[in-house]
Amino acid sequence: TQLLEQSPQFLSIQEGENLTVYCNSSSVFSSLQWYRQEPGEGPVLLVTVVTGGEVKKLKRLTFQFGDARKDSSLHITAAQPGDTGLYLCAGGRSGGSNYKLTFGKGTLLTVNP
Amino acid sequence: NAGVTQTPKFQVLKTGQSMTLQCAQDMNHEYMSWYRQDPGMGLRLIHYSVGAGITDQGEVPNGYNVSRSTTEDFPLRLLSAAPSQTSVYFCASSYSRGVETQYFGPGTRLLVL
Repeated sequence: TQLLEQSPQFLSIQEGENLTVYCNSSSVFSSLQWYRQEPGEGPVLLVTVVTGGEVKKLKRLTFQFGDARKDSSLHITAAQPGDTGLYLCAGGRSGGSNYKLTFGKGTLLTVNP
Repeated sequence: NAGVTQTPKFQVLKTGQSMTLQCAQDMNHEYMSWYRQDPGMGLRLIHYSVGAGITDQGEVPNGYNVSRSTTEDFPLRLLSAAPSQTSVYFCASSYSRGVETQYFGPGTRLLVL
């Protein structure tokens, strides 16, 4: 069972365009993280959101955690070729000492110059 | 700080061979984990450790063994490699298990023939 659905799976856009990728679940998460992974490298954390409705901005990237803490979105303004990569969301759930992090399958973004 | 290091970067095995994937971190992190990443499947947790001497199974532990004798090292052992274990393997560490930044290594690409 895939707990976190990311959409779209693939996205190819031109430099300067805006885009939004989504991370959806039927489960409630205590936290939601977004990672970016470049070819041949490991994922790198971009942001962590923990409060329903929370919005965080990182330069041209805007992250939002849904009010019910079941979904999240990543919006990129004026995309640049350097934004190319695989974007992964990861939902965290606590259960005493049994904290579990579940990754989505990712959105592969290509920004063409 | 070297962060999280993994060796080897690439490996080709024949079915039935054994090998150990090495992972080390120099950040004094208590929590370490192993993931495998397959096309269309995202990152899946194999094994994790919350400290030296303590390990536990993740989502896909079959065919893999781990041990944690020191804080720094967390090797992953394949006792009898199978083609289904062809994948990219990532080691990650974080300060603790919870809403923490996970630092990933660069990955080991494994092909089992």
